[in-house]
Amino acid sequence: DAGVIQSPRHEVTEMGQEVTLRCKPISGHDYLFWYRQTMMRGLELLIYFNNNVPIDDSGMPEDRFSAKMPNASFSTLKIQPSEPRDSAVYFCASSLGDSYSYEQYFGPGTRLTVT
Amino acid sequence: AQTVTQSQPEMSVQEAETVTLSCTYDTSESDYYLFWYKQPPSRQMILVIRQEAYKQQNATENRFSVNFQKAAKSFSLKISDSQLGDAAMYFCAYRTYGGATNKLIFGTGTLLAVQP
Repeated sequence: DAGVIQSPRHEVTEMGQEVTLRCKPISGHDYLFWYRQTMMRGLELLIYFNNNVPIDDSGMPEDRFSAKMPNASFSTLKIQPSEPRDSAVYFCASSLGDSYSYEQYFGPGTRLTVT
Repeated sequence: AQTVTQSQPEMSVQEAETVTLSCTYDTSESDYYLFWYKQPPSRQMILVIRQEAYKQQNATENRFSVNFQKAAKSFSLKISDSQLGDAAMYFCAYRTYGGATNKLIFGTGTLLAVQP
């Protein structure tokens, strides 16, 4: 398996622009997670889905952030409008819900820079 | 709410030596999972080792082992025969056992340097 795939790997955008991050989970996994990593706040869970349905979005910082999972093999995290404080590494992870440990497999991350 | 604390922002070890990274957590639950993840400079998060709270035996994966003290809510990671490739940020994480909640709660990480 190719693992969790994220695109783009790097994104540089100007403040006010819309940014869309993409994720393809491991085939067969029924959970998908979006994390944000910054020096100040560490790793934060933004939102997670089970069977394409958002379960917990309490970590989404504000209305500028939205996430969708239209099918089992694709998810997006959108920021509109982007701000410099959104600069971070965004990780997508997936897991198999009925495995004994629910191990989460992470993608390589997208480094977002908002200028 | 559960919390995970890693009190060592940075650690250093000589190649071939042993190092222990500390992690404590707070929870009122009796069953849960604990994990150590490694994040090398490539940014990729890699699972190092996992521990089920209901198991008394400490988990071991090759050179990596844990010291799980449930009563003390402590979950330290021991790396034996340290190698240059072990240099990375290490995160301790907690997950509720079973149920609908499938969130990982991470500590702030420990940056491990390995000196040749």
